[in-house]
Amino acid sequence: DIQMTQSPSSLSASVGDRVTITCRASQSISSYLNWYQQKPGKAPNLLIYAASSLQSGVPSRFSGSGSGTDFTLTISSLQPEDFATYYCQQSYTTPWTFGQGTKVEIK
Amino acid sequence: QITLKESGPTLVKPTQTLTLTCTFSGFSLSTSGVGVGWIRQPPGKALEWLALIYWDDDKRYSPSLKSRLTITKDTSKNQVVLTMTNMDPVDTATFYCAHTTPYGGNSFDYWGQGTLVTVSS
Repeated sequence: DIQMTQSPSSLSASVGDRVTITCRASQSISSYLNWYQQKPGKAPNLLIYAASSLQSGVPSRFSGSGSGTDFTLTISSLQPEDFATYYCQQSYTTPWTFGQGTKVEIK
Repeated sequence: QITLKESGPTLVKPTQTLTLTCTFSGFSLSTSGVGVGWIRQPPGKALEWLALIYWDDDKRYSPSLKSRLTITKDTSKNQVVLTMTNMDPVDTATFYCAHTTPYGGNSFDYWGQGTLVTVSS
């Protein structure tokens, strides 16, 4: 299985901050990397697919980059509704695997 | 508009078999490239990919759970069924079904609301 490692596991940030979350794959996954946001008690919501493509309806403050083994999710200016847990997921080969999550909390 | 909804028991006993149904609308599982997957999430923990079935009946499973999982589809009913045998308390989780296509980078672009399954005697 391909292992996905996110860092940090959690972070505290203020509204307006620029936030960066990284995801590393245990082997190359080309650009088959997706990012999800999950709020408590809710299903995950797709933010970014294919490493850098913004899902329809997702605010432009979210962006993704990377290829191969190293990927980044950036929130350019954190908004109150962005406090949530974020997961990366590789879809290069089955079993598709998720990272352990990054919880973004209010400072 | 694509929607998915999971249904099944909320409580199962250890050693029993869990059967979950994903009923969807807004797409067809006979359309080339389309798939439906199952993902679970134990309380307070991360997401875990379980299984995936494609339009052409290609089935993929998590290797660690493969011996316990079966995924099937009923295209006429717009349903996907997941069975998991020999349930254990550690299998307590919220189970989600989700839609995928290669046009979205093989991402899960639509999710059901999830259903919490508790394993307890």
